[in-house]
Amino acid sequence: KNEVEQSPQNLTAQEGEFITINCSYSVGISALHWLQQHPGGGIVSLFMLSSGKKKHGRLIATINIQEKHSSLHITASHPRDSAVYICAVPGAGGTSYGKLTFGQGTILTVHP
Amino acid sequence: DTGVSQDPRHKITKRGQNVTFRCDPISEHNRLYWYRQTLGQGPEFLTYFQNEAQLEKSRLLSDRFSAERPKGSFSTLEIQRTEQGDSAMYLCASSRLAVNNEQFFGPGTRLTVL
Repeated sequence: KNEVEQSPQNLTAQEGEFITINCSYSVGISALHWLQQHPGGGIVSLFMLSSGKKKHGRLIATINIQEKHSSLHITASHPRDSAVYICAVPGAGGTSYGKLTFGQGTILTVHP
Repeated sequence: DTGVSQDPRHKITKRGQNVTFRCDPISEHNRLYWYRQTLGQGPEFLTYFQNEAQLEKSRLLSDRFSAERPKGSFSTLEIQRTEQGDSAMYLCASSRLAVNNEQFFGPGTRLTVL
């Protein structure tokens, strides 16, 4: 079993739809990262959160530490949101220096 | 631009050749990480530096791979005798020296071994 699992692996939506991507992890963590990767490879950090909820524009991330689960929501989706969304957790293997373990990513395609 | 930079962005090489990639982290960041990402997968940890010290190497990093960060600033990742299985995106990230600090990623170097 992977330490970080995302669902769904692929997601297709129409412009304007509300989107949810889920992430479950099996290791104890103090924070979780949501990352965005566009074609061409560059990774951008969207959120780092350790409890509750964070919001940035149309993006909302929530985390439940007890249930070891996080969700990334996109409201009013737009074709420019099409990308791979990856969750990642630090501290796997007992290290304290922030080495990240990544989920496999969710490929999001938003059609106009 | 004060972000993480990587060079080259793309590298095509023939099997058996040696390649070297460079990463320039954000200047005040003590921590530097190398990750590898194959097609359709999330990135995987390769190695970590705190200043100039290499503190961990993944078992993914065979003896054909070596990484350095000689002055605690830029880092290099060398792959000797490349194999087709080395084809991947090599990502570098840096962060400040504190627990749970956000990592900033470079654009990656895409390696294709023919």
